[in-house]
Amino acid sequence: GIQVEQSPPDLILQEGANSTLRCNFSDSVNNLQWFHQNPWGQLINLFYIPSGTKQNGRLSATTVATERYSLLYISSSQTTDSGVYFCAVTNSGGYQKVTFGTGTKLQVIP
Amino acid sequence: SAVISQKPSRDICQRGTSLTIQCQVDSQVTMMFWYRQQPGQSLTLIATANQGSEATYESGFVIDKFPISRPNLTFSTLTVSNMSPEDSSIYLCSVEKGLNTEAFFGQGTRLTVV
Repeated sequence: GIQVEQSPPDLILQEGANSTLRCNFSDSVNNLQWFHQNPWGQLINLFYIPSGTKQNGRLSATTVATERYSLLYISSSQTTDSGVYFCAVTNSGGYQKVTFGTGTKLQVIP
Repeated sequence: SAVISQKPSRDICQRGTSLTIQCQVDSQVTMMFWYRQQPGQSLTLIATANQGSEATYESGFVIDKFPISRPNLTFSTLTVSNMSPEDSSIYLCSVEKGLNTEAFFGQGTRLTVV
């Protein structure tokens, strides 16, 4: 099956700093999503971005499907950004299972 | 988007017992998915539940251990049977509201087996 690797696995940021999280996938994909898992375990949808670039406030994401990677940018980080960030892909049409990446654990310190 | 209600949100259970997790969606959906997230790990698909047919299980997961019901288009249950401490995980249900659309997740059930 498709492999989804994220980097870095762990990241500590000072509040106000910027960061880039990367997601590499081993095969072509139909869909790609970014999620934030908060400390209570809930998955929050950040972006649905099979290709192109999207922005939502301090967050933006870019997917280059032809080169099999996606990037999540966090600017002016806040302590509430702490948690685990997952990218997740589907690589066939229709209703298909989502394959999750390995995750990036982010800690933002005051 | 989709509003997904999952119950219970957390539970502590004795080994050897079973726990049934419920997942309710605010609108009809064709497919529902159940995931497991072991401590410190990523999410792994357990099974896909289609209304009116038996669930389809991923490699490493079996129906006797994780029976699933899907009685209608808005509801599903996952049972974790004969639990052991290794079953301690977060269990999440997920839906997709249309073909090739984004997935939405319930808030998860944090299970601890003692």
